[in-house]
Amino acid sequence: AQSVTQLGSHVSVSEGALVLLRCNYSSSVPPYLFWYVQYPNQGLQLLLKYTSAATLVKGINGFEAEFKKSETSFHLTKPSAHMSDAAEYFCAVTLSGGYQKVTFGTGTKLQVIP
Amino acid sequence: GAVVSQHPSWVICKSGTSVKIECRSLDFQATTMFWYRQFPKQSLMLMATSNEGSKATYEQGVEKDKFLINHASLTLSTLTVTSAHPEDSSFYICSARRDRGKVSPLHFGNGTRLTVT
Repeated sequence: AQSVTQLGSHVSVSEGALVLLRCNYSSSVPPYLFWYVQYPNQGLQLLLKYTSAATLVKGINGFEAEFKKSETSFHLTKPSAHMSDAAEYFCAVTLSGGYQKVTFGTGTKLQVIP
Repeated sequence: GAVVSQHPSWVICKSGTSVKIECRSLDFQATTMFWYRQFPKQSLMLMATSNEGSKATYEQGVEKDKFLINHASLTLSTLTVTSAHPEDSSFYICSARRDRGKVSPLHFGNGTRLTVT
């Protein structure tokens, strides 16, 4: 079984400040990890994914995440927040080894203060 | 690439009626699609896995007779909420994997906001 925990349901940052959204995972086998973004009344858009290659993964819109096995973490970062980054972010995990269900975290709503 | 289209984007219906939601993969074939339900300020809850040409696999606690899923072709899955009630009001999202047999990301439709009055 697998699960993800997102610490902080709401995060507020000033425009231009560092964005850090936390995600910790639990998995019995090597996981594949994803970050998705959701804008109001829309579906989810993939930001980036970790599939056992490079531990530092770069995604769209300037976001990146680092897989740290020792910490079972996959935190999402962006050096400088933009107003358009305000949205809800979901961390998700699935198991490696083929076709598996995806489990989502509870989400973190990012507010960007001008 | 990997576009998933969901229709309608919003629907209002009266209690007791049925509502059909369509999910299409526009530029790829999806042998498997997934239906999620999202309550306000909550995460996505997997309702069922829709398999082309066979019966859907429902998650525990999801009424299969209430949420009918049909996956008649490689590019279309439908979710029908039968005899809808106000408690069925929610945001329903479909998704699909582009590559079968590999761990590829899910591609999501834009969701359907269902309001039952």
